[in-house]
Amino acid sequence: EVQLVESGGGLVQPGRSLRLSCVASGFAFDDFAMHWVRQVPGKGLEWVSGITWNSGNIAYADSVKGRFTISRDNAKNSLYLQMNSLRPEDTALYYCGRGRTYSVYDPFDYWGQGTLVTVSS
Amino acid sequence: EIVLTQSPGTLSLSPGERATLSCRASQSVSSNYLAWYQQKPGQAPRLLIYGASSRATGIPDRFSGSGSGTDFTLTISRLEPEDFAVYYCQQYASPWTFGQGTKVEIK
Repeated sequence: EVQLVESGGGLVQPGRSLRLSCVASGFAFDDFAMHWVRQVPGKGLEWVSGITWNSGNIAYADSVKGRFTISRDNAKNSLYLQMNSLRPEDTALYYCGRGRTYSVYDPFDYWGQGTLVTVSS
Repeated sequence: EIVLTQSPGTLSLSPGERATLSCRASQSVSSNYLAWYQQKPGQAPRLLIYGASSRATGIPDRFSGSGSGTDFTLTISRLEPEDFAVYYCQQYASPWTFGQGTKVEIK
Protein backbone atom coordinates (compact mmCIF):
# COMPACT_ATOMS: atom_id res chain seq x y z
CA GLU A 1 0.00 0.00 0.00
CA VAL A 2 1.34 3.39 -1.01
CA GLN A 3 1.73 5.73 1.96
CA LEU A 4 3.03 9.28 2.22
CA VAL A 5 3.42 10.75 5.70
CA GLU A 6 4.29 14.40 6.15
CA SER A 7 5.75 15.95 9.29
CA GLY A 8 7.53 19.07 10.46
CA GLY A 9 4.68 21.56 10.44
CA GLY A 10 3.89 23.88 13.31
CA LEU A 11 3.64 27.47 14.47
CA VAL A 12 6.54 29.69 13.41
CA GLN A 13 7.16 33.43 13.49
CA PRO A 14 7.44 35.46 10.28
CA GLY A 15 10.97 35.47 8.90
CA ARG A 16 11.88 32.16 10.52
CA SER A 17 12.50 28.77 8.90
CA LEU A 18 10.88 25.36 8.93
CA ARG A 19 11.73 22.05 7.29
CA LEU A 20 8.99 19.68 6.18
CA SER A 21 9.55 15.97 5.58
CA CYS A 22 7.57 13.36 3.70
CA VAL A 23 8.37 9.68 4.22
CA ALA A 24 7.19 7.31 1.51
CA SER A 25 6.47 3.60 1.68
CA GLY A 26 4.82 0.91 -0.40
CA PHE A 27 6.49 1.77 -3.71
CA ALA A 28 9.90 2.29 -5.31
CA PHE A 29 10.44 5.89 -4.23
CA ASP A 30 13.33 6.50 -6.65
CA ASP A 31 11.10 5.68 -9.64
CA PHE A 32 8.79 8.67 -9.19
CA ALA A 33 8.79 12.44 -9.26
CA MET A 34 7.50 14.11 -6.11
CA HIS A 35 5.78 17.40 -5.35
CA TRP A 36 4.63 19.71 -2.59
CA VAL A 37 1.17 21.28 -2.80
CA ARG A 38 -0.41 23.58 -0.23
CA GLN A 39 -3.93 24.52 0.70
CA VAL A 40 -5.18 27.26 2.94
CA PRO A 41 -7.97 25.62 5.01
CA GLY A 42 -11.25 26.11 3.21
CA LYS A 43 -9.54 27.39 0.04
CA GLY A 44 -8.11 25.95 -3.15
CA LEU A 45 -4.95 24.06 -4.03
CA GLU A 46 -1.62 25.69 -4.90
CA TRP A 47 1.32 23.76 -6.34
CA VAL A 48 4.53 24.72 -4.52
CA SER A 49 7.44 22.69 -5.90
CA GLY A 50 8.34 19.52 -7.77
CA ILE A 51 11.43 17.31 -8.20
CA THR A 52 12.19 14.48 -10.61
CA TRP A 53 13.22 11.01 -9.49
CA ASN A 54 16.95 11.83 -9.70
CA SER A 55 16.72 15.50 -8.59
CA GLY A 56 17.77 16.45 -12.12
CA ASN A 57 14.78 18.72 -12.71
CA ILE A 58 13.41 20.98 -9.98
CA ALA A 59 10.73 23.65 -10.23
CA TYR A 60 9.13 26.18 -7.90
CA ALA A 61 6.07 28.38 -7.87
CA ASP A 62 6.95 32.06 -8.23
CA SER A 63 5.44 32.69 -4.78
CA VAL A 64 8.17 30.61 -3.07
CA LYS A 65 11.10 30.86 -5.48
CA GLY A 66 14.27 31.92 -3.67
CA ARG A 67 12.82 31.10 -0.24
CA PHE A 68 11.92 27.39 -0.43
CA THR A 69 14.17 24.48 -1.41
CA ILE A 70 12.93 21.04 -2.34
CA SER A 71 15.17 17.99 -2.02
CA ARG A 72 14.96 14.23 -1.71
CA ASP A 73 16.98 11.37 -0.27
CA ASN A 74 16.15 8.23 -2.21
CA ALA A 75 18.09 6.06 0.24
CA LYS A 76 15.74 7.21 3.00
CA ASN A 77 12.57 7.27 0.85
CA SER A 78 12.16 10.87 1.90
CA LEU A 79 11.17 14.19 0.39
CA TYR A 80 11.93 17.52 2.03
CA LEU A 81 10.91 21.16 1.81
CA GLN A 82 13.19 23.70 3.44
CA MET A 83 11.16 26.87 3.98
CA ASN A 84 13.06 30.07 4.79
CA SER A 85 11.93 33.67 5.28
CA LEU A 86 8.41 32.48 6.04
CA ARG A 87 5.51 34.89 5.58
CA PRO A 88 1.97 34.88 6.98
CA GLU A 89 0.69 34.06 3.48
CA ASP A 90 2.64 30.77 3.63
CA THR A 91 0.17 29.55 6.26
CA ALA A 92 -1.44 26.42 4.84
CA LEU A 93 -1.75 22.66 4.97
CA TYR A 94 1.21 21.25 3.05
CA TYR A 95 0.73 18.00 1.15
CA CYS A 96 3.35 15.87 -0.51
CA GLY A 97 2.19 14.17 -3.67
CA ARG A 98 3.62 11.47 -5.89
CA GLY A 99 3.91 12.09 -9.60
CA ARG A 100 2.30 9.39 -11.68
CA THR A 101 5.67 8.50 -13.27
CA TYR A 102 9.36 9.45 -13.07
CA SER A 103 8.60 12.58 -15.09
CA VAL A 104 7.80 15.82 -13.32
CA TYR A 105 5.17 16.49 -16.04
CA ASP A 106 2.54 14.24 -14.59
CA PRO A 107 -0.41 14.60 -12.24
CA PHE A 108 -0.27 13.43 -8.63
CA ASP A 109 -1.71 9.99 -8.05
CA TYR A 110 -1.06 9.65 -4.30
CA TRP A 111 -1.16 12.28 -1.58
CA GLY A 112 -0.29 12.39 2.08
CA GLN A 113 -2.67 13.76 4.69
CA GLY A 114 -0.73 16.99 5.04
CA THR A 115 1.12 18.92 7.73
CA LEU A 116 -0.13 22.30 8.90
CA VAL A 117 2.19 25.30 8.81
CA THR A 118 1.09 28.45 10.62
CA VAL A 119 3.17 31.60 10.25
CA SER A 120 2.22 34.14 12.89
CA SER A 121 3.78 36.34 15.52
CA GLU B 1 1.45 30.86 -16.23
CA ILE B 2 -1.74 29.17 -17.39
CA VAL B 3 -4.81 30.28 -15.43
CA LEU B 4 -7.61 27.73 -15.10
CA THR B 5 -11.15 28.96 -14.55
CA GLN B 6 -13.75 26.46 -13.37
CA SER B 7 -17.49 26.84 -13.68
CA PRO B 8 -19.91 26.83 -12.10
CA GLY B 9 -18.63 27.61 -8.62
CA THR B 10 -21.33 25.45 -7.09
CA LEU B 11 -23.52 22.80 -8.69
CA SER B 12 -26.66 21.73 -6.81
CA LEU B 13 -27.93 18.36 -7.99
CA SER B 14 -29.74 15.29 -6.74
CA PRO B 15 -28.36 11.73 -6.60
CA GLY B 16 -28.85 10.03 -9.95
CA GLU B 17 -28.51 13.25 -11.93
CA ARG B 18 -25.77 14.06 -14.41
CA ALA B 19 -23.07 16.56 -13.45
CA THR B 20 -21.12 18.58 -16.01
CA LEU B 21 -18.14 20.61 -14.77
CA SER B 22 -16.15 22.99 -16.93
CA CYS B 23 -12.49 24.03 -16.85
CA ARG B 24 -11.25 26.75 -19.20
CA ALA B 25 -7.56 27.56 -19.65
CA SER B 26 -6.14 31.01 -20.41
CA GLN B 27 -3.96 29.43 -23.12
CA SER B 28 -3.77 26.07 -24.79
CA VAL B 29 -2.75 23.20 -22.51
CA SER B 30 0.03 21.35 -24.29
CA SER B 31 -0.35 17.62 -24.88
CA ASN B 32 -3.66 17.74 -23.02
CA TYR B 33 -1.79 17.74 -19.71
CA LEU B 34 -5.06 18.26 -17.84
CA ALA B 35 -6.18 16.35 -14.74
CA TRP B 36 -9.22 16.32 -12.48
CA TYR B 37 -9.25 15.69 -8.74
CA GLN B 38 -11.97 15.10 -6.17
CA GLN B 39 -11.60 16.36 -2.61
CA LYS B 40 -13.88 15.61 0.32
CA PRO B 41 -13.80 17.51 3.64
CA GLY B 42 -10.80 16.56 5.77
CA GLN B 43 -9.27 14.45 3.02
CA ALA B 44 -6.47 14.84 0.53
CA PRO B 45 -7.39 15.22 -3.14
CA ARG B 46 -7.87 12.07 -5.21
CA LEU B 47 -6.82 11.82 -8.85
CA LEU B 48 -9.77 11.01 -11.11
CA ILE B 49 -8.71 11.85 -14.68
CA TYR B 50 -5.38 12.56 -16.38
CA GLY B 51 -4.44 13.36 -19.95
CA ALA B 52 -7.85 15.06 -20.20
CA SER B 53 -9.73 11.77 -20.64
CA SER B 54 -7.92 8.81 -19.05
CA ARG B 55 -9.38 7.46 -15.82
CA ALA B 56 -6.95 6.88 -12.97
CA THR B 57 -6.68 3.47 -11.37
CA GLY B 58 -9.82 2.40 -9.55
CA ILE B 59 -12.00 5.30 -10.71
CA PRO B 60 -15.56 4.24 -11.62
CA ASP B 61 -16.61 4.62 -15.25
CA ARG B 62 -19.36 7.09 -14.34
CA PHE B 63 -16.52 9.65 -14.30
CA SER B 64 -15.36 10.80 -17.72
CA GLY B 65 -13.22 13.62 -19.02
CA SER B 66 -13.17 15.32 -22.39
CA GLY B 67 -11.84 18.35 -24.19
CA SER B 68 -8.65 19.74 -25.65
CA GLY B 69 -6.81 23.00 -26.12
CA THR B 70 -8.43 25.44 -23.72
CA ASP B 71 -11.80 23.82 -22.91
CA PHE B 72 -12.19 20.73 -20.76
CA THR B 73 -15.11 18.98 -19.13
CA LEU B 74 -15.57 16.48 -16.31
CA THR B 75 -18.84 14.55 -16.48
CA ILE B 76 -20.32 12.38 -13.76
CA SER B 77 -23.01 10.38 -15.53
CA ARG B 78 -25.15 9.51 -12.48
CA LEU B 79 -24.30 11.05 -9.15
CA GLU B 80 -23.82 8.67 -6.26
CA PRO B 81 -24.04 9.94 -2.64
CA GLU B 82 -20.25 9.67 -2.30
CA ASP B 83 -19.68 11.96 -5.31
CA PHE B 84 -20.75 15.13 -3.52
CA ALA B 85 -17.44 16.92 -3.05
CA VAL B 86 -15.22 19.65 -4.48
CA TYR B 87 -13.59 19.04 -7.86
CA TYR B 88 -10.42 20.68 -9.13
CA CYS B 89 -8.86 20.72 -12.55
CA GLN B 90 -5.08 20.96 -12.89
CA GLN B 91 -2.70 21.50 -15.78
CA TYR B 92 0.72 19.91 -15.35
CA ALA B 93 2.66 21.43 -18.21
CA SER B 94 4.75 23.64 -15.86
CA PRO B 95 4.27 25.57 -13.86
CA TRP B 96 1.53 23.43 -12.48
CA THR B 97 -1.70 25.29 -11.74
CA PHE B 98 -5.10 24.37 -10.34
CA GLY B 99 -8.53 25.78 -10.98
CA GLN B 100 -10.39 27.34 -8.06
CA GLY B 101 -12.72 24.35 -7.70
CA THR B 102 -16.37 23.44 -8.27
CA LYS B 103 -18.44 22.26 -5.34
CA VAL B 104 -21.02 19.62 -6.16
CA GLU B 105 -23.65 19.74 -3.43
CA ILE B 106 -26.84 17.87 -2.73
CA LYS B 107 -29.93 19.71 -3.87
